[in-house]
Amino acid sequence: SQKIEQNSEALNIQEGKTATLTCNYTNYSPAYLQWYRQDPGRGPVFLLLIRENEKEKRKERLKVTFDTTLKQSLFHITASQPADSATYLCALLYSGNTPLVFGKGTRLSVIA
Amino acid sequence: EAGVTQFPSHSVIEKGQTVTLRCDPISGHDNLYWYRRVMGKEIKFLLHFVKESKQDESGMPNNRFLAERTGGTYSTLKVQPAELEDSGVYFCASSLRQGPNEQFFGPGTRLTVL
Repeated sequence: SQKIEQNSEALNIQEGKTATLTCNYTNYSPAYLQWYRQDPGRGPVFLLLIRENEKEKRKERLKVTFDTTLKQSLFHITASQPADSATYLCALLYSGNTPLVFGKGTRLSVIA
Repeated sequence: EAGVTQFPSHSVIEKGQTVTLRCDPISGHDNLYWYRRVMGKEIKFLLHFVKESKQDESGMPNNRFLAERTGGTYSTLKVQPAELEDSGVYFCASSLRQGPNEQFFGPGTRLTVL
């Protein structure tokens, strides 16, 4: 069955540095990949969507890449701030009408 | 605009009891989804409504779970009888369109079965 791995459970980074989070999957590639942010006690909040034929997507300080050869997506936050501290989830969609499949998430802590 | 709301925020029940969770999606969103996160695991899809119809219920764990969306507005998820392994956080999400579109999540209901 399909497996999604997010690089680590927790990642600590110094304020101002670039945070890089990894999402790896096995078997077949999804048509779409989404990244969500989740704060404690709240539901996930959508950040970015990238399609399988897109290599890169940007939104303000966020950048997502999608490499179907490596079966990997990277999520970058540049000039990280303590307010960026949260759990980040990747979620895959194998086609337009299949359910979202989530990874476990990576808890990012940005230290001032 | 109000977001997705869920009620209750927490529920603690005994094994064998019944619990009903409610989700109010964003007004005008035809698509409503239920998900569950069990401790230590990833968020998992349960089912998807389009208006009042079940589009996909492939994630429902067993027949102790019953979801309804009468009238195509709010939805309820009933667990009867509850088992220990049903404990977790139940999220509801809604979206305007199907497919790879942004889903708006509620804050979740934390269910504890003792």
